[in-house]
Amino acid sequence: SQTIHQWPATLVQPVGSPLSLECTVEGTSNPNLYWYRQAAGRGLQLLFYSIGIDQISSEVPQNLSASRPQDRQFILSSKKLLLSDSGFYLCACCVKGQGSYEQYFGPGTRLTVT
Amino acid sequence: KQEVTQIPAALSVPEGENLVLNCSFTDSAIYNLQWFRQDPGKGLTSLLLIQSSQREQTSGRLNASLDKSSGRSTLYIAASQPGDSATYLCAAAFSYGGSNYKLTFGKGTLLTVNP
Repeated sequence: SQTIHQWPATLVQPVGSPLSLECTVEGTSNPNLYWYRQAAGRGLQLLFYSIGIDQISSEVPQNLSASRPQDRQFILSSKKLLLSDSGFYLCACCVKGQGSYEQYFGPGTRLTVT
Repeated sequence: KQEVTQIPAALSVPEGENLVLNCSFTDSAIYNLQWFRQDPGKGLTSLLLIQSSQREQTSGRLNASLDKSSGRSTLYIAASQPGDSATYLCAAAFSYGGSNYKLTFGKGTLLTVNP
């Protein structure tokens, strides 16, 4: 079964500083990968998804970007953080096969922008 | 635009009670529906997945049903325990081309089971 790793677990960054969050997946190949943000009172918001290396789609215009340099590595970045970027960031992977599709989530990164 | 709604937003029950969490979705063309559990400060744990061709799925004390025609799913928890306290999220999967899918989430139901 697949395992999703995220780091760091928590991060406190000043406004205007850069950001890099990393997600890696074990136990599966060629997965679809997703970045979500969970903010208080707003539920889970899909930020980016990727169906393969260097294939990234953005769901909403924002201050963030994503990259997928390797099959099982997904990176979320920002050049200059805003206060509104604070939240709980979750990476997810999907498992496909035999007519089924299921998403699994990593442990998340708590980002506080001060 | 697909929308998923969960009712109630919060629920507090005494230990041992059977309870039902509700989820509704606006687009009946879902591929499947997934129920998740989230503990405070943690990621999401998948509980049950119902394919669009199925009516229900069961795992232990949990039973999830799906009615595509009415756009509804329910999660039934039998004999609730304090350890069931968490936020429960439902998510509907929709295709974005080929065999690729995205989930649309509800905002969740915060469940508290009191000893």
